[in-house]
Amino acid sequence: SQTIHQWPATLVQPVGSPLSLECTVEGTSNPNLYWYRQAAGRGLQLLFYSVGIGQISSEVPQNLSASRPQDRQFILSSKKLLLSDSGFYLCAWTPGPSTLHFGNGTRLTVT
Amino acid sequence: AQSVAQPEDQVNVAEGNPLTVKCTYSVSGNPYLFWYVQYPNRGLQFLLKYITGDNLVKGSYGFEAEFNKSQTSFHLKKPSALVSDSALYFCAVRGQNYGQNFVFGPGTRLSVLP
Repeated sequence: SQTIHQWPATLVQPVGSPLSLECTVEGTSNPNLYWYRQAAGRGLQLLFYSVGIGQISSEVPQNLSASRPQDRQFILSSKKLLLSDSGFYLCAWTPGPSTLHFGNGTRLTVT
Repeated sequence: AQSVAQPEDQVNVAEGNPLTVKCTYSVSGNPYLFWYVQYPNRGLQFLLKYITGDNLVKGSYGFEAEFNKSQTSFHLKKPSALVSDSALYFCAVRGQNYGQNFVFGPGTRLSVLP
């Protein structure tokens, strides 16, 4: 069966420090991969999505970037974190147009 | 453009009573429709989806939803609410045309009171 792993679960980082969040999917190939951010426990904001290795689409221009170095690996990065980057980051995958499956999320606090 | 509205920020219901969480959508073409539930500090869990076929969809934990094309709605329902159903609920839509991404509503917080 397919599973999605996302880590770390929580992260506290100072302003100006770099960021790397990792997400991997097991049990499938060529998934569509997504990074969402959720602020204040409410709505989801799509940050990036990828339909294949090296193919990244950005939905919202900001301080973050994403990369997909391998088929089932999706990384969210920042060179210098801002206070406004705090939030709950969710990785998700789908094999196609149907159900989106989410990881357990990373709670990022920028201090 | 695709959009999802969940008109209620908060829904309160007594345990044992029926619950409804409302969702309306806008999408070009035919929709894929989804409901997800989120517990504190967790990812979203899939509850049910409508792709095609029967307008009444049954999902996990006794939840169901009815697709109404004329009203562009996909309301989530459960005949008898449990305290453990208290959580944040998201409706989502995706157009069936290639390249359209998932769009989520703002979420509705459900509180089931004992």
